[in-house]
Amino acid sequence: HSVLTQPPSLSGAPGQAVTISCTGSSANIGAGFDVHWYQQLPGTAPKLLIYGNDNRPSGIPDRFSGSKSGTSASLAITGLQVEDEAVYYCQSSDLSGAVFGGGTKLTVL
Amino acid sequence: QVQLQESGPGLVRPSETLSLTCTISGGSISNYYWSWIRQTPGKGLEWIGYIYYRGSTKYNPSLKSRVTISRDTSKNQFSLNLSSVTAADTATYFCAGVGSGDGLEIWGHGTMVTVSS
Repeated sequence: HSVLTQPPSLSGAPGQAVTISCTGSSANIGAGFDVHWYQQLPGTAPKLLIYGNDNRPSGIPDRFSGSKSGTSASLAITGLQVEDEAVYYCQSSDLSGAVFGGGTKLTVL
Repeated sequence: QVQLQESGPGLVRPSETLSLTCTISGGSISNYYWSWIRQTPGKGLEWIGYIYYRGSTKYNPSLKSRVTISRDTSKNQFSLNLSSVTAADTATYFCAGVGSGDGLEIWGHGTMVTVSS
């Protein structure tokens, strides 16, 4: 099982908002390590969506936002679009290195 | 724009060593630190290890005894060796670059490696 816990699946209608949670522990997120989020479309490599908890790389729409509190983090997506249908992963670190969540499959109905 | 390309055999025999290379184009190997990540079919992502700016490394404890990541700065490449492979090592292997924000900013397309006799 993954070190970081994400809901396996979520769904939303176009135009709606969804939030994906990522729960860690005092060894990773709670220890102050940053959280990053990735979007993986079918058959492609993951793409960095959010880095350093709440920062968007150039070219990422502001519909995507990240936050972190305590031992958890969240990715919020507003104004859902059909092309947002993908698997979303959170990633943080612990003293051993990088750790990932198990991924959340987002379906846009 | 920095791009990454993985290369190596798509089929490896059990007990042998899996060897992959990541070639960096459009940028210098010295400007980031680098990582290997794998994804088993239909499953999530697993971090394998990092190689840092000065060549030091850090590995996933669950793979540490079998993993070596190295780099060739003259060729702008870094490599993964995973020894004593089993079917459980069958996966798509990605190389990635870590940007200034510590996120995995740049990814290769990935290469599928099957462990089978």
